[in-house]
Amino acid sequence: AQSVAQPEDQVNVAEGNPLTVKCTYSVSGNPYLFWYVQYPNRGLQFLLKYITGDNLVKGSYGFEAEFNKSQTSFHLKKPSALVSDSALYFCAVRDEGNTPLVFGKGTRLSVIA
Amino acid sequence: SAVISQKPSRDICQRGTSLTIQCQVDSQVTMMFWYRQQPGQSLTLIATANQGSEATYESGFVIDKFPISRPNLTFSTLTVSNMSPEDSSIYLCSVGQGSAGNTIYFGEGSWLTVV
Repeated sequence: AQSVAQPEDQVNVAEGNPLTVKCTYSVSGNPYLFWYVQYPNRGLQFLLKYITGDNLVKGSYGFEAEFNKSQTSFHLKKPSALVSDSALYFCAVRDEGNTPLVFGKGTRLSVIA
Repeated sequence: SAVISQKPSRDICQRGTSLTIQCQVDSQVTMMFWYRQQPGQSLTLIATANQGSEATYESGFVIDKFPISRPNLTFSTLTVSNMSPEDSSIYLCSVGQGSAGNTIYFGEGSWLTVV
């Protein structure tokens, strides 16, 4: 069975600084990895995904994520954080069987002006 | 991307009543999933709803409590039955299409408060 770990409940970063939100995963086969963001009182918005190919994936709002197979990680990054990036971020994984997404517990990002 | 509409967006419900949440998609999709997000928590899968077959429920969720319908490829409903305050959550509909690499999209959620 697949699983996702987000080791940080909260990440605080100053506006303009780079940010990283960590995610590690476990699947039996090849992983399909996703990042979603949830703004207050909203549903989930898709940010980016890794399927195959280049380990660095670029997504919406300037976010990117790096797939590292040896470390089973898929950390979310942004070179320069904005106050408007403050939200709840979820990492999710599914395996090759077209199964539902399994989510991490979420990391709350707070960008301080 | 798929556009997903959920109704109601919010509701306050009395203990012991039932509420049906509707999920409408703007295109035909093979797989629909219902998730629950309890306050301050992550998303937990309730069930997978595929057209033409009964929903598949995850451990801890039963059909009597969360009956699901999937009459066609663009629509599904989730009913939360005999509600208690512990059912106060966001209920999210999501859809997937095709291969495992395709993105799964989410509706805005139905925010239920049981009093």
